[in-house]
Amino acid sequence: DAGVIQSPRHEVTEMGQEVTLRCKPISGHDYLFWYRQTMMRGLELLIYFNNNVPIDDSGMPEDRFSAKMPNASFSTLKIQPSEPRDSAVYFCASSLDTEAFFGQGTRLTVV
Amino acid sequence: SQKIEQNSEALNIQEGKTATLTCNYTNYSPAYLQWYRQDPGRGPVFLLLIRENEKEKRKERLKVTFDTTLKQSLFHITASQPADSATYLCALDKTAARQLTFGSGTQLTVLP
Repeated sequence: DAGVIQSPRHEVTEMGQEVTLRCKPISGHDYLFWYRQTMMRGLELLIYFNNNVPIDDSGMPEDRFSAKMPNASFSTLKIQPSEPRDSAVYFCASSLDTEAFFGQGTRLTVV
Repeated sequence: SQKIEQNSEALNIQEGKTATLTCNYTNYSPAYLQWYRQDPGRGPVFLLLIRENEKEKRKERLKVTFDTTLKQSLFHITASQPADSATYLCALDKTAARQLTFGSGTQLTVLP
């Protein structure tokens, strides 16, 4: 398996624009997580899914953030409208047991 | 409130020595604790998991201890090498729901 695949690797966008981050989890994994990492706040869990159903989105900072998982092999994290403070590295991770497998991350810069 | 603290932001040690990293937590009752390694520009990679009923776990040059009374885990790398230089993160599950909360990490540098 190729591991967790995220796209794009880098995204630069202007404030106010919509941003969509994509994730393909490892085949067969039933949990999917979206994390955000910044120097100030470290690695924060935003939302996670079990069998494509959102379980806990209490980490999503605002209504500008939304996440979907239409099927077992694809998830998106959308920010609309984006703001400079959303600049961070966004990680997707999947798991079948206790161990989480992370993607390479998407580095988002909002200018 | 729940908190996870890792002993220091940065730790420098000489090659061949044992590196010891600390993870302390409050207001958690974790079923298990995990340690991850993160290299610059990459996602965290799982290293070891230790359950609440285990005192110690080993994997090659790595050793983890877990003291639920002290609410502390120690992570040791013996015979350290420059290739061990990375940021090490501890993570706790929240109510055994597979939902991991991470510490802020300790950046380890092994000097040749």
